[in-house]
Amino acid sequence: AQSVTQPDIHITVSEGASLELRCNYSYGATPYLFWYVQSPGQGLQLLLKYFSGDTLVQGIKGFEAEFKRSQSSFNLRKPSVHWSDAAEYFCAVGADNTDKLIFGTGTRLQVFP
Amino acid sequence: DTGVSQNPRHKITKRGQNVTFRCDPISEHNRLYWYRQTLGQGPEFLTYFQNEAQLEKSRLLSDRFSAERPKGSFSTLEIQRTEQGDSAMYLCASSLVAGGDEQFFGPGTRLTVL
Repeated sequence: AQSVTQPDIHITVSEGASLELRCNYSYGATPYLFWYVQSPGQGLQLLLKYFSGDTLVQGIKGFEAEFKRSQSSFNLRKPSVHWSDAAEYFCAVGADNTDKLIFGTGTRLQVFP
Repeated sequence: DTGVSQNPRHKITKRGQNVTFRCDPISEHNRLYWYRQTLGQGPEFLTYFQNEAQLEKSRLLSDRFSAERPKGSFSTLEIQRTEQGDSAMYLCASSLVAGGDEQFFGPGTRLTVL
């Protein structure tokens, strides 16, 4: 069965520091992979997605993620975090024979000035 | 494009009552999804529609839950005889095509069952 693991429940970084949020998935074939961000009172917003091709994908707000098949990982990165990036981040996997998304439990990012 | 809208945004009800939520997807989207999110968890898939046809239902969707999309536009999710365990955020999403296309999420309806 498909599953997503986000090992870090809570991460705190200083503004301007680099960021990496971890995501590991379980799926037999090549999955569709997504990163969503959820701010308080806001709906989930898509940051980026991977379907195929280049394993390094660029997203909005300066985020990028790298698909590593050998490690079953899809980690999210940002070189310099802004205070407005404080939010909950969710990794999700979708399969090509179903349209449901399987989400991880999320990582809460806190940014200190 | 006004995005996905959900009503009401908040609902407080007593155990045993019935509640109904509405989702209006982005107008040209023919796929509509319902998810449930509890505190500290990621969203969990409940069900989805292709136009008016309900194509998949999760085992999370007990007999007390029913979803409809009568004309392939808006959708309703009804919970009968609510229980305290139903307290959660109910999220709706829509997408244009199948095959992993981006799902656009609404703000959610927060249900509290007393």
